[in-house]
Amino acid sequence: QVQLVQSGAEVKKPGASVKVSCKASGYTFTTYDINWVRQATGQGLEWMGWMNPNSGNTGYAQKFQGRVTMTRNTSIRTAYMELSSLRSEDTAVYYCARGIGCNGAVCHLYYFDYWGQGTLVTVSS
Amino acid sequence: QSVLTQPPSASGTPGQRVTISCSGSSSNIGSNTVNWYQQLPGTAPKLLIYSNNQRPSGVPDRFSGSKSGTSASLAISGLQSEDEADYYCAAWDDSLNGHYVFGTGTKVTVL
Repeated sequence: QVQLVQSGAEVKKPGASVKVSCKASGYTFTTYDINWVRQATGQGLEWMGWMNPNSGNTGYAQKFQGRVTMTRNTSIRTAYMELSSLRSEDTAVYYCARGIGCNGAVCHLYYFDYWGQGTLVTVSS
Repeated sequence: QSVLTQPPSASGTPGQRVTISCSGSSSNIGSNTVNWYQQLPGTAPKLLIYSNNQRPSGVPDRFSGSKSGTSASLAISGLQSEDEADYYCAAWDDSLNGHYVFGTGTKVTVL
């Protein structure tokens, strides 16, 4: 069965960086995008960006441009999301999610069919 | 900042029908399909409806989705206690080089 298993909780100081991993199993890793979504406590869902594990191509939400980097290691079927220059407002649960429905740059049908369990990142001095 | 607007809350008694609206614009709902996610307390979101009105395997047919113009809606018929959760609409948005947008979220309470 399809599973996305994320790394454990992190506590970081303001200004530091955090790297969260998402290990995929149960399907061909390079066939589907990996997206990252975050959720602050008591708040809604916020899309951060996507990565094509086959090509390594990425697309980031404007809000995170310059601060986020999404990469992958296909040999171990793992995607990574690194967020730098952390501030208290980045305290949130970060989810990876498998994306389906983009055909090149055309994403009329895009949706996320499987999600990781979430990783809590706490930014505190 | 969410660009898809949902009511913050909705409620009903067991067995009732509850409807949640989702309002967007021509660059998102008006051009692309709508998806709905259910988030039970303390858990990761789960895909509930995709491509406006399609249910993934395992999702009860009590859940249905529809779309018209730049708006969409999710209906839950025969409301059950286990339906108490947060619900988010979402769609691809063609502006700003393309990005995915979520709704503001609706908390459904079963009275």
